[in-house]
Amino acid sequence: TQLLEQSPQFLSIQEGENLTVYCNSSSVFSSLQWYRQEPGEGPVLLVTVVTGGEVKKLKRLTFQFGDARKDSSLHITAAQPGDTGLYLCAGARGNTPLVFGKGTRLSVIA
Amino acid sequence: NAGVTQTPKFRVLKTGQSMTLLCAQDMNHEYMYWYRQDPGMGLRLIHYSVGEGTTAKGEVPDGYNVSRLKKQNFLLGLESAAPSQTSVYFCASSYASSGGYPYEQYFGPGTRLTVT
Repeated sequence: TQLLEQSPQFLSIQEGENLTVYCNSSSVFSSLQWYRQEPGEGPVLLVTVVTGGEVKKLKRLTFQFGDARKDSSLHITAAQPGDTGLYLCAGARGNTPLVFGKGTRLSVIA
Repeated sequence: NAGVTQTPKFRVLKTGQSMTLLCAQDMNHEYMYWYRQDPGMGLRLIHYSVGEGTTAKGEVPDGYNVSRLKKQNFLLGLESAAPSQTSVYFCASSYASSGGYPYEQYFGPGTRLTVT
């Protein structure tokens, strides 16, 4: 059973377009992290959200944690080729290890 | 600071051979992790450690063993490699979680292992 479902699995868009990727679960998480992984490298943390309803912005990226802390979304405004990569969400429940989703692979075409 | 380093970067094994992957971190992190990443499967936790001398099983521990003899090092061993263990292996480290909230995990660059 996959605790965290990410959608879409793949996304290919033109430079300048907006997009949203989703991370959903039937379980409640105490916090949720988003990572970005570029080809040939390890994932790098983008943001951690801890409060239901929380919205965090990182330049053109907007992260939201659902009110019930079961889901999250990542919105990118005016995507650029440098945004290309695999976006992974990871949820924490108490002191158990992080659970990662399978990721959304984003390709931004110039 | 080098962060998290992994050796080797690439390795090809024959079925039944053994090998050890080494992970080292210089950030004085308490927690260390080993993941495998397969196409379409995301990151799956193999084993982890919350401190020197302690290890615990993750989601997919079968066929692997680990040791954490020193705080800065975390070793992943394959005693008898199988083709199903062909994957990219990532090591990560973090500070101990606080109040149930995890700190950022810092990942190494990965080891690409092929078992023929």
